[in-house]
Amino acid sequence: NAGVMQNPRHLVRRRGQEARLRCSPMKGHSHVYWYRQLPEEGLKFMVYLQKENIIDESGMPKERFSAEFPKEGPSILRIQQVVRGDSAAYFCASSPGTGFYTYEQYFGPGTRLTVT
Amino acid sequence: AQRVTQPEKLLSVFKGAPVELKCNYSYSGSPELFWYVQYSRQRLQLLLRHISRESIKGFTADLNKGETSFHLKKPFAQEEDSAMYYCALVTGGGNKLTFGTGTQLKVEL
Repeated sequence: NAGVMQNPRHLVRRRGQEARLRCSPMKGHSHVYWYRQLPEEGLKFMVYLQKENIIDESGMPKERFSAEFPKEGPSILRIQQVVRGDSAAYFCASSPGTGFYTYEQYFGPGTRLTVT
Repeated sequence: AQRVTQPEKLLSVFKGAPVELKCNYSYSGSPELFWYVQYSRQRLQLLLRHISRESIKGFTADLNKGETSFHLKKPFAQEEDSAMYYCALVTGGGNKLTFGTGTQLKVEL
C-alpha cells in the first residue's frame, strides 16, 4: 500500500493564477481531509470529503477555495487567484471511516505552495 | 471552541534523559486525543492514540481530564527520537483533528 499520495510536492504560482493540489487516498479509504499549515503554526483543518460529497467545509476560506472528491480519481483542492498569503504547506489525510480506527487519519507528504 | 496548546516550541534533552512533551486541551465534549510525529523529511505519522493506552517506541501518554492534559513521556530519550511532535484532538464527531503548534524535540549526545 503506497500510502496517501499528493502531487505536486512543490508548486510555484504567480499572484492571480490558479493552484490545483491533488490527493489520492490510501487504498480502501473513502474519507479525505485537507489541512493547511502556515509557517510557525500547526495544521489547520480545512475540509472533509467523502466520495462525491463535501461533509464539512467549516475550515475553508469563503472565497477562492474549493475542494472535490469525485467518484473516480483523486481529491482536488483548488485555489483560484492565489495571493501571497496562500503560501503554505497543504496536507491531505485519509481514513477508512469505519471500524474502531475510524478516527485514525493517515497523512500524505504535503504540497508546498509558494506564491510569488 | 476547541484548542490544543503545546507550550514548548523546542525541547532539547540529552540522550538517556527523561522526556516530557506537554499538551493541554480545551474541549467541551469527550476528548479523543492523539500524538503525531514527523521525522526529518518524512510525512506526519500517528504515534499514539489515548483510547488504546498503548506504548509505542517507549512513549506513553495518559489523558488527565482534571488537568485537561495529554503529556507525552519517555523515560530514556534516544537520538532517533529527534523529531517534530504534534498533539491533536478529534472534534466534529470524529471528522477533524485540531492540532497544537508542535514541539521540536532534539536529543543531544
